Amino acid sequence: QVRLQESGPGLVKPSETLSLTCTVSGGSISAYYWSWIRQPPGKGLEWIGYIHYLGSTNYNPSLKSRVTVSVDTSKNQFSLKLSSVTAADTAVYYCARWPLRYFDLWGRGTLVTVSS
Amino acid sequence: EIVLTQSPGTLSLSPGERATLSCRASQSVSSSYLAWYQQKPGQAPRLLIYGASIRAAGIPDRFSGSGSGTDFTLTISGLEPEDFAVYYCQQYGSSPGITFGQGTRLEIK
Repeated sequence: QVRLQESGPGLVKPSETLSLTCTVSGGSISAYYWSWIRQPPGKGLEWIGYIHYLGSTNYNPSLKSRVTVSVDTSKNQFSLKLSSVTAADTAVYYCARWPLRYFDLWGRGTLVTVSS
Repeated sequence: EIVLTQSPGTLSLSPGERATLSCRASQSVSSSYLAWYQQKPGQAPRLLIYGASIRAAGIPDRFSGSGSGTDFTLTISGLEPEDFAVYYCQQYGSSPGITFGQGTRLEIK
């Protein structure tokens, strides 16, 4: 049974870089696309970007200038970096598997708060 | 950018009733790329329907999806207590690639 688990700091200072990692267990990261989605408290879902296990990426244009998604197949992990964060980036961040049409497996999510 | 507008914002129904949730797109969406999710408080979203009408693994048959073009519907026949949650539609297509509707909250009347 494939599981996804987000990890990383729960508190980031304004103007700094948010960094999260998603570890895929119970299956290989290869042969799929993987994605990050976020949800501000009490609000809806926003897609951030996705990556293929071979490294090709696609980002939400509204975040593209600040986002980098990378993959490490040797560790069965993929990662998110979001630079120059502000309070508006405070959200629960989810990682998910993306078979190019829908998100079929999700992590439990991790709350990241941007505050000094 | 394709904008998905869900209605109503909140739907108040009783267990056993039928729920009809709407998702309208600002441009035509391929049925292959329209999905529905259920989210309960404190939990990640769960995939219910993909390809507009295909139930995901383990999803009860009281959940059904339909529609094409710009109008899509999620129907829940015979609401169970565990069905009261927030529901999101999602599309994959032209830039920015993936968008979600703002959600419909299904609450117990």
